[in-house]
Amino acid sequence: QITLKESGPTLVKPTQTLTLTCTFSGFSLSTSGVGVGWIRQPPGKALEWLALIYWDDDKRYSPSLKSRLTITKDTSKNQVVLTMTNMDPVDTATYYCAHSPAYSFDAFDIWGQGTMVTVSS
Amino acid sequence: QSVLTQPPSVSAAPGQKVTISCSGSSSNIGNNYVSWYQQLPGTAPKLLIYDNNKRPSGIPDRFSGSKSGTSATLGITGLQTGDEADYYCGTWDSSLSADVVFGGGTKLTVL
Repeated sequence: QITLKESGPTLVKPTQTLTLTCTFSGFSLSTSGVGVGWIRQPPGKALEWLALIYWDDDKRYSPSLKSRLTITKDTSKNQVVLTMTNMDPVDTATYYCAHSPAYSFDAFDIWGQGTMVTVSS
Repeated sequence: QSVLTQPPSVSAAPGQKVTISCSGSSSNIGNNYVSWYQQLPGTAPKLLIYDNNKRPSGIPDRFSGSKSGTSATLGITGLQTGDEADYYCGTWDSSLSADVVFGGGTKLTVL
């Protein structure tokens, strides 16, 4: 059974750097074709894809946020970490991590419960 | 402004059928697979359809997906009150830099 769980601060100040950790179980990020992505959702708004890292360390970023994002993986710890610099109140959102299966590299079949991050001074 | 265009809302009565459209371009839907997600209130999204028309294990066949050109459609038959949710399409966009894009979401109301 695949599970993912996001962790990190619930409140960050403007200009600070946000670090979120996705801890997963039930799969290995060293398995060919597998990936883990980050998606966020501001309150009452649509999903926005942020970043994706694959088993071979291939990394993809949202073009509009690329300069602020870094995604890394620690296969031994079953974790994926997303950092986002220069946080702004518009970055207030629920942040999800999700599993991208080998059978469909652009789909997310299992999602974490999400973690709400508020950006405020 | 989402890259993929969905109607903000659709509605239908229980037992009826509804379709939700997702319009894109040749750089996304036109040349890539489409996925569909259901997000019940207060919960994380759930994958309903991948690769245009395939259902993950456990998804009932009341849910179907199709694609034609640069548009995709999610169909739901035998509507239930429990289907009331937000629905999102998603796909790969291979324009400037390959990335995942989502639609703006469609709120389904089961009257």
